[in-house]
Amino acid sequence: AQRVTQPEKLLSVFKGAPVELKCNYSYSGSPELFWYVQYSRQRLQLLLRHISRESIKGFTADLNKGETSFHLKKPFAQEEDSAMYYCALKSGGGATNKLIFGTGTLLAVQP
Amino acid sequence: SQTIHQWPATLVQPVGSPLSLECTVEGTSNPNLYWYRQAAGRGLQLLFYSVGIGQISSEVPQNLSASRPQDRQFILSSKKLLLSDSGFYLCGGAKNIQYFGAGTRLSVL
Repeated sequence: AQRVTQPEKLLSVFKGAPVELKCNYSYSGSPELFWYVQYSRQRLQLLLRHISRESIKGFTADLNKGETSFHLKKPFAQEEDSAMYYCALKSGGGATNKLIFGTGTLLAVQP
Repeated sequence: SQTIHQWPATLVQPVGSPLSLECTVEGTSNPNLYWYRQAAGRGLQLLFYSVGIGQISSEVPQNLSASRPQDRQFILSSKKLLLSDSGFYLCGGAKNIQYFGAGTRLSVL
């Protein structure tokens, strides 16, 4: 079955500390994975996707097919990083672009 | 750029009443459209998606239905709401990457 697991509901760190938001997936085939973020009072928006291999706002995520993981990392957390983070897996063939979401992790960066 | 408009932001409805949530898309044509629900303590679950006018695919059996009367309009409906229909409903649209509306928080009492 296709599934995305985010084991942590809440991750609290101090400003300047490293951050790692965990995401594991279950998918038969070549996965396409995303991280979405929702800041307070804003709508859900794309943060990054693995095929772009980019760093956005200091965040990176590497797809590890052996461990079926796509953890989101940042070396030094900032207070403005506090938000809800969702890992998502593209599901369905063709152009359907369906997404399977994890349950989300609330990142709280303390001053 | 593509913008998703969704309303209302919050809604309180009695059990057994009908529901109609509307989602419209601006800035693109012929997008895929999606309705998601987030129940308490759960992730976003895909309810319906549409690849074109009049084309609706249901992902999970439920008390809700969806319609796409126009290219950039996607409607989520129910004839009689249940308590279990409470949750946060999110409309998404995509040509390549998915964009989302602001969501509607529905409380069925």
